[in-house]
Amino acid sequence: NAGVTQTPKFQVLKTGQSMTLQCAQDMNHNSMYWYRQDPGMGLRLIYYSASEGTTDKGEVPNGYNVSRLNKREFSLRLESAAPSQTSVYFCASSEERGMVVPYEQYFGPGTRLTVT
Amino acid sequence: QKEVEQNSGPLSVPEGAIASLNCTYSDRGSQSFFWYRQYSGKSPELIMFIYSNGDKEDGRFTAQLNKASQYVSLLIRDSQPSDSATYLCAVNIPRSYGQNFVFGPGTRLSVLP
Repeated sequence: NAGVTQTPKFQVLKTGQSMTLQCAQDMNHNSMYWYRQDPGMGLRLIYYSASEGTTDKGEVPNGYNVSRLNKREFSLRLESAAPSQTSVYFCASSEERGMVVPYEQYFGPGTRLTVT
Repeated sequence: QKEVEQNSGPLSVPEGAIASLNCTYSDRGSQSFFWYRQYSGKSPELIMFIYSNGDKEDGRFTAQLNKASQYVSLLIRDSQPSDSATYLCAVNIPRSYGQNFVFGPGTRLSVLP
């Protein structure tokens, strides 16, 4: 099992360019997440998908769009990149076990994005 | 007030000592609590989770939860230089659309040989 994979690992964009970050998981998880991590800020949720075909905004969704292509894949798109979007992006997935039993997230290796 | 707070550190402890990491949260609806370790340049990896008041032990790690005080901590006994990393506290908060994980900013731990 590869777990959670992300592509690309590194990317440099110019302001105004667009790109899509890809994420896939092979653990048959229903829930998938996109986070960004900035120094001193911890992980902040951009978008969340509870199941195939559904997506919801997280804490910092502005400037991003997502697609839950199927159960395995969840992509994040920057339509017009801005320097403020320079960050490390992590995709994660988790298994649903109900409201009381806790469940953990599994993270991909991250994409380091620089917007100049 | 931020939903999940941690001291940013760095917290420095000598090898073999006990490292104590603390986390407070604001939402009383929080149901489960997680500690992740993140090495520099790597992705977070789960160390422990806890959802009942009290202590939970796993090897050198002990998680402690006090829901009345809205406080969760992680103790690392016999600290090793390989424990040097950033430790993220995460809280699972039920939302109308499902579950939401809220992360603290992390505490950087340095274990000195």
